[in-house]
Amino acid sequence: RKEVEQDPGPFNVPEGATVAFNCTYSNSASQSFFWYRQDCRKEPKLLMSVYSSGNEDGRFTAQLNRASQYISLLIRDSKLSDSATHLCVVNLRPMTSGTYKYIFGTGTRLKVLA
Amino acid sequence: DAGVTQSPTHLIKTRGQQVTLRCSPKSGHDTVSWYQQALGQGPQFIFQYYEEEERQRGNFPDRFSGHQFPNYSSELNVNALLLGDSALYLCASSFLREGFNEQFFGPGTRLTVL
Repeated sequence: RKEVEQDPGPFNVPEGATVAFNCTYSNSASQSFFWYRQDCRKEPKLLMSVYSSGNEDGRFTAQLNRASQYISLLIRDSKLSDSATHLCVVNLRPMTSGTYKYIFGTGTRLKVLA
Repeated sequence: DAGVTQSPTHLIKTRGQQVTLRCSPKSGHDTVSWYQQALGQGPQFIFQYYEEEERQRGNFPDRFSGHQFPNYSSELNVNALLLGDSALYLCASSFLREGFNEQFFGPGTRLTVL
């Protein structure tokens, strides 16, 4: 089983639609969570950190469910510029090292249609 | 304030050769992580450097090695290149602290092995 799993999509939605992505993770020791977006042939860019109580930033809402080990991202009023691959990221911090590592999902492709 | 920079942007090598990729972290950051991203996949964690030491390592062979310098910049070395090493190599930097450790990515080096 992959450590971080996402539906690869693609999700094709019309402008103005609401779209939701889910992500599941297998390591219960995971400590923090993020959503990144990646445009074609570009580097990932941080979209949102995901807080335990859930958080909202404009049109974006992130939720964390530790009991079920999943993270979600909701995008309201989709824009053409939201078209990208959305990557779910889990931050593991093994006790022995004092540092951490990011585990990425494979990403969910979103295409917003005019 | 410069973000994360990487050099070179593109590189073409042949099987069996060796390659060195370079990364300068964002100002104020002390931790550098390296990732390999194959087409259609999420970034795969290679290793992380903090205080000039390798602190975490992903499932990559010893052909992949690295270094961090006192100014926090880093190098990734790959020996005995294989065709399968063709990928986008991403460097990310962060400031090591408790809680969230948001990573910021450089534009990547696209390596092609012929």
